[in-house]
Amino acid sequence: AQSVTQLDSQVPVFEEAPVELRCNYSSSVSVYLFWYVQYPNQGLQLLLKYLSGSTLVESINGFEAEFNKSQTSFHLRKPSVHISDTAEYFCAALVQGAQKLVFGQGTRLTINP
Amino acid sequence: NAGVTQTPKFRILKIGQSMTLQCTQDMNHNYMYWYRQDPGMGLKLIYYSVGAGITDKGEVPNGYNVSRSTTEDFPLRLELAAPSQTSVYFCASSYTDRGGGNTIYFGEGSWLTVV
Repeated sequence: AQSVTQLDSQVPVFEEAPVELRCNYSSSVSVYLFWYVQYPNQGLQLLLKYLSGSTLVESINGFEAEFNKSQTSFHLRKPSVHISDTAEYFCAALVQGAQKLVFGQGTRLTINP
Repeated sequence: NAGVTQTPKFRILKIGQSMTLQCTQDMNHNYMYWYRQDPGMGLKLIYYSVGAGITDKGEVPNGYNVSRSTTEDFPLRLELAAPSQTSVYFCASSYTDRGGGNTIYFGEGSWLTVV
């Protein structure tokens, strides 16, 4: 069975500092990988996804994630964070050919001025 | 194009009461889902549907029922509310990308408290 583990439940960083949110998955078959963001009191929004091709994927607001098959990881990074990036971030995996998305436990990113 | 719409946004229920969370999507997506979100637990799949007339259990289906009579609607029913069902509920829908991936779109959530 597939599972997704987000290694940090909370990550506090200072504004304009770099950040990495870690995600590891386990699956015996190929998966698609996603990062979703949830701002306070809102639903989840797709941030970026890896389906195939280039292992580095980017979002429009400066986040990027790299698919590493050998380490079964899909860590999310941003070189310089802003106060508005304060949110909860969820990593998720979908087994190819399946319809059910499996989520990690979430990482709360807090940006301090 | 409203996307995925859930109602109500907030509800307080007494133990043993019943209620239905409504969900509708206008994107003609075949797949629809109900998740619940509890602090520190991420999202857990309750039920999902791959098309009208077809539903299946997810990870945590006990205490819930669903139906899918149309492509657009996927209501979630709680028959006998229990405090353990206090949670935030998210409805979602998805389609299959050209590349075979499945991009899921979420509603804004329904906050349910059972007292």
